Amino acid sequence: EAQVTQNPRYLITVTGKKLTVTCSQNMNHEYMSWYRQDPGLGLRQIYYSMNVEVTDKGDVPEGYKVSRKEKRNFPLILESPSPNQTSLYFCASSPNTGPQAFFGQGTRLTVV
Amino acid sequence: GDSVTQMEGPVTLSEEAFLTINCTYTATGYPSLFWYVQYPGEGLQLLLKATKADDKGSNKGFEATYRKETTSFHLEKGSVQVSDSAVYFCALYSGGGADGLTFGKGTHLIIQP
Repeated sequence: EAQVTQNPRYLITVTGKKLTVTCSQNMNHEYMSWYRQDPGLGLRQIYYSMNVEVTDKGDVPEGYKVSRKEKRNFPLILESPSPNQTSLYFCASSPNTGPQAFFGQGTRLTVV
Repeated sequence: GDSVTQMEGPVTLSEEAFLTINCTYTATGYPSLFWYVQYPGEGLQLLLKATKADDKGSNKGFEATYRKETTSFHLEKGSVQVSDSAVYFCALYSGGGADGLTFGKGTHLIIQP
């Protein structure tokens, strides 16, 4: 089954404790991206990757890092999480740049 | 830059009512337009799309027509069901780069039996 898998689904952490949210897709897609969803703000893109070893900033990249060492994986790294990064995070993949993105089920992160 | 504006809601309707969710956009060039749906506790799923002016996207009884003259892509359904309760996102893609999708803020739809 074609899917995008994120882990964990829920995470509560403390300020400053490094964390990684994993994302994996089994569709051999070149393009992957991370979004955060906040009430009243919709979805905003954090980072995206056109292919292996090619990543770039989206609209709200501050406080986040990503890597793309393999085509299927695109982890989101928060080196020093802060409470304003409490949000619902989605990973997405596409076979090319842009449309028809396939989304993961989301990771709800709470930073206290 | 690109932007999408949609009514935020919540929009509350009775079952079998007619649904319209408005969406307008600002973009350079000729974007592709999308509606995504997010059911409770799930990720976003593509509902329908249109890639050029006057195209009509349709799926699961929902329809939207790409209106270039009014820069709109309103979502409609003739008779909604309780199972249509979800958050609906209008989005566009301008292409020509790697900017991804630009989303509206989402419209929370609640259908009451």
